[in-house]
Amino acid sequence: EAGVTQFPSHSVIEKGQTVTLRCDPISGHDNLYWYRRVMGKEIKFLLHFVKESKQDESGMPNNRFLAERTGGTYSTLKVQPAELEDSGVYFCASSQNRGTEAFFGQGTRLTVV
Amino acid sequence: QQQVKQSPQSLIVQKGGIPIINCAYENTAFDYFPWYQQFPGKGPALLIAIRPDVSEKKEGRFTISFNKSAKQFSLHIMDSQPGDSATYFCAASKGNYQLIWGAGTKLIIKP
Repeated sequence: EAGVTQFPSHSVIEKGQTVTLRCDPISGHDNLYWYRRVMGKEIKFLLHFVKESKQDESGMPNNRFLAERTGGTYSTLKVQPAELEDSGVYFCASSQNRGTEAFFGQGTRLTVV
Repeated sequence: QQQVKQSPQSLIVQKGGIPIINCAYENTAFDYFPWYQQFPGKGPALLIAIRPDVSEKKEGRFTISFNKSAKQFSLHIMDSQPGDSATYFCAASKGNYQLIWGAGTKLIIKP
């Protein structure tokens, strides 16, 4: 069974550009989460989807970040326009039910220069 | 009140030694305390977790010790091996949802 996969694994963009990260959860997992780890700091929750609905987006830093999960399958996280402080590793995770173990993707390392 | 403080930031231990990683939390409503292991290029993976009704949980060579009154918990790795070299994260939450994470500990086990 395929795990959670994220694309790209690494992205380097200039300040002001747009970047879109993609996450493919484990098949059948209704719950999808986005997290971010800024260099050397703690991993922080960004938002939670249940199927295609945003259940909780309290962790989204500002309106430059837009997450979607059309059709309740894969999800995208768009940063527009990117700022230097957006650099970090973005993780996606999925779980069958809320509160059960979430499985993480390998992360996308975003570098804004 | 939502923070989880993890220490040390990095740790080097000789093979066979017992690395200990400590975490402290503030929110007394937390009732789920997992540890995650992350290898380079991979995402975090759940290693072991504990709930506050027990003071210790052991799975293989990994043990969590939990001190509810001190609001602290720690991870011990018995008979550590070079393959245990990874970054370890503690976390805490209420009901295994919206985990609050520690900053991570980079562990190196020297052969």
